[in-house]
Amino acid sequence: SQQGEEDPQALSIQEGENATMNCSYKTSINNLQWYRQNSGRGLVHLILIRSNEREKHSGRLRVTLDTSKKSSSLLITASRAADTASYFCAPHDYKLSFGAGTTVTVRA
Amino acid sequence: DTEVTQTPKHLVMGMTNKKSLKCEQHMGHRAMYWYKQKAKKPPELMFVYSYEKLSINESVPSRFSPECPNSSLLNLHLHALQPEDSALYLCASSQDGGNTEAFFGQGTRLTVV
Repeated sequence: SQQGEEDPQALSIQEGENATMNCSYKTSINNLQWYRQNSGRGLVHLILIRSNEREKHSGRLRVTLDTSKKSSSLLITASRAADTASYFCAPHDYKLSFGAGTTVTVRA
Repeated sequence: DTEVTQTPKHLVMGMTNKKSLKCEQHMGHRAMYWYKQKAKKPPELMFVYSYEKLSINESVPSRFSPECPNSSLLNLHLHALQPEDSALYLCASSQDGGNTEAFFGQGTRLTVV
């Protein structure tokens, strides 16, 4: 089944710094989605980038997609304590499956 | 209304019990999903319904039985579960099954004793 593999597994940064996490996947996709999950709660959709798009922005979030390398990155700029969460990429071929995720801790 | 509502929020059941998890959305979405999530692990896809028909079953044991009575409701019937089935069960919905964002409920925390 199609899953993303996120890197790094965990990230600890100071408030105000940027956080970057990467996702690699295996096969052709329709789109790639990023989600955030705060501890033990439901997932929140962040951004969907289609296979014919290379970059997308939403507020402090920037997502890139390189289909030739089968990879995507999520950049969070000017991080805040509220950004502390797990982040999952979800490459979508015919179903929405999640990779292992990156746990981000933002220190005040 | 962009909510997916799951009930109950918490459930403790014995291995011989029968219980049901419920999920409801009123966004007109035609795809609905069940995921299982163990602690510190990503959500694992269990079932997908598309236009009220089961389209994906990820080889889930028969002690989990999904049902989609109508386009707004999704149930997960539980019977003869094992302690290892204890997990957070998440429901989600999307407009058309993946080309658009999915909205997740807050989950049901299930404990099997």
